[in-house]
Amino acid sequence: EAGVAQSPRYKIIEKRQSVAFWCNPISGHATLYWYQQILGQGPKLLIQFQNNGVVDDSQLPKDRFSAERLKGVDSTLKIQPAKLEDSAVYLCASSIWVLGELFFGEGSRLTVL
Amino acid sequence: KNEVEQSPQNLTAQEGEFITINCSYSVGISALHWLQQHPGGGIVSLFMLSSGKKKHGRLIATINIQEKHSSLHITASHPRDSAVYICAVEPGNQFYFGTGTSLTVIP
Repeated sequence: EAGVAQSPRYKIIEKRQSVAFWCNPISGHATLYWYQQILGQGPKLLIQFQNNGVVDDSQLPKDRFSAERLKGVDSTLKIQPAKLEDSAVYLCASSIWVLGELFFGEGSRLTVL
Repeated sequence: KNEVEQSPQNLTAQEGEFITINCSYSVGISALHWLQQHPGGGIVSLFMLSSGKKKHGRLIATINIQEKHSSLHITASHPRDSAVYICAVEPGNQFYFGTGTSLTVIP
């Protein structure tokens, strides 16, 4: 069974530039999560999708972050414009339904200069 | 205030030692997860438990729902166990994560 796929693995950009991350969850998993993990901290939920609907985006900085999961399968997370404090690992995870066992991707490490 | 507290934050052990990582939480939960994160790598789910004890190889996870406490034990530790171990809880509609325990096992 293929795991959660994320790309790119690494990205370096300058502040005020834009970046997009892509995630393909495990086939059949209805729930998809995007987490931000800053060095030394636990993951922080940015957005949770159930199929193609948003369940929770309360901690998503909507002035600069956006995410979509148009067909209820893969998802993109965009940051525009990026700030220095956005430097982090962006983790995508999926689960069969709401909560339950989480499967994580390898993460996308963003460095904003 | 964190809903999930882990201790210790950092742990260094000699190969072969028995290791315990603790997790305390302040909310009612339906399940607790132990996750492992290697440097530069993604996160792997080790255990999901809602009561009692689970064992997988050299890893043992226990939970006491009344005391809102869980422990992760590693027997006969090995350098490849070096990683960050994260506790996460499900209070019903989302996950709360601890900040992790960084474990280094020295040969």
